[in-house]
Amino acid sequence: GENVGLHLPTLSVQEGDNSIINCAYSNSASDYFIWYKQESGKGPQFIIDIRSNMDKRQGQRVTVLLNKTVKHLSLQIAATQPGDSAVYFCAENSNTGNQFYFGTGTSLTVIP
Amino acid sequence: EAQVTQNPRYLITVTGKKLTVTCSQNMNHEYMSWYRQDPGLGLRQIYYSMNVEVTDKGDVPEGYKVSRKEKRNFPLILESPSPNQTSLYFCASQLVGSYEQYFGPGTRLTVT
Repeated sequence: GENVGLHLPTLSVQEGDNSIINCAYSNSASDYFIWYKQESGKGPQFIIDIRSNMDKRQGQRVTVLLNKTVKHLSLQIAATQPGDSAVYFCAENSNTGNQFYFGTGTSLTVIP
Repeated sequence: EAQVTQNPRYLITVTGKKLTVTCSQNMNHEYMSWYRQDPGLGLRQIYYSMNVEVTDKGDVPEGYKVSRKEKRNFPLILESPSPNQTSLYFCASQLVGSYEQYFGPGTRLTVT
């Protein structure tokens, strides 16, 4: 369903610390979950995805965790850098057609 | 350079004046989508296309039309724009079987 919240969740972390960004999804039939990063003035950029039959996937400095029991997805960024400052979106895809549903986003600020 | 391009990047128009936002990708992707992004609501999918001459409604298709006459192009048409269509619009493309979408730079539309 549509989130009508007007305020973007924010997260501030010190440079070098680890960041954890959380997302709750709604459709238990979703087959794929994806994380995107959006820098100011740009389009979203793919980070990592995970299939529903997995509970963890690692990339370069990023790890995505999926908990289907509570419909929760998280993105962990190791050794956060100033260039990681952006809005992060989770998205889900039901594997029927090509429909994607995005979360409302979390704004990450890295403090040097 | 592999990319998705959108034109125009900025557009101010008046209620009822038909407009078209173009989208083109040079990656030979089968799938393309249009999204709108509004504060606090994340990205919402308007329409998607899984092949030439194949288009489907996304989450918020009312007031929009699309066409897919060629693989590389996927224009978004607003026949009679209204102020509630003021938004930031993104086009995206992806390979069939992949969930990695490549987004364009966005088109900021204002309808007065």
